[in-house]
Amino acid sequence: KAGVTQTPRYLIKTRGQQVTLSCSPISGHRSVSWYQQTPGQGLQFLFEYFSETQRNKGNFPGRFSGRQFSNSRSEMNVSTLELGDSALYLCASSPTGGPSNYGYTFGSGTRLTVV
Amino acid sequence: AQKITQTQPGMFVQEKEAVTLDCTYDTSDQSYGLFWYKQPSSGEMIFLIYQGSYDEQNATEGRYSLNFQKARKSANLVISASQLGDSAMYFCAMSVWRAGNQFYFGTGTSLTVIP
Repeated sequence: KAGVTQTPRYLIKTRGQQVTLSCSPISGHRSVSWYQQTPGQGLQFLFEYFSETQRNKGNFPGRFSGRQFSNSRSEMNVSTLELGDSALYLCASSPTGGPSNYGYTFGSGTRLTVV
Repeated sequence: AQKITQTQPGMFVQEKEAVTLDCTYDTSDQSYGLFWYKQPSSGEMIFLIYQGSYDEQNATEGRYSLNFQKARKSANLVISASQLGDSAMYFCAMSVWRAGNQFYFGTGTSLTVIP
């Protein structure tokens, strides 16, 4: 059974550019969530999509956006990159519309470096 | 507001010994779930164990057990018979049912298993 796939694994971008990260959930999972992990702020929730609709959003500026496709694959986009956007971006998929005792299944993350 | 507190930035344990990682939480919701995740240096978040707020028995999964004390709002992870492969970051997380699939994470505990 394939896990959650995040691409690319590593990315280097220049300040001011934009970036798109991709997440393919486990087959049959309809919920995809995104998290940002930095040494200073820890793990912070970005947003969650369920059946192509953004259901929940964290406290991030509008430069961070996302979407989910009909096959449940999700993308997140960061425009006008800042040095502080350097982080590990984790995607998690879940089969249900709410938390379950199976928790989420996380991908290996995309490590974004902004220079 | 929801909050997870992990007060042990780093812990050391001798191989084959047991270790307890502390986690306290704060929420006014009655329906919530508590999770522990392991994050090795590769970055992937690995689900370890789950405890629902209405579960009366402490959760166990192999060498992992969760010491759930609802009145104290604590959910400590106990790892028995530590192995070298247990060396990693450990995160306690909470999900509140009404907030959908959003995790609130603690700051993590770095566990090092000494041979």
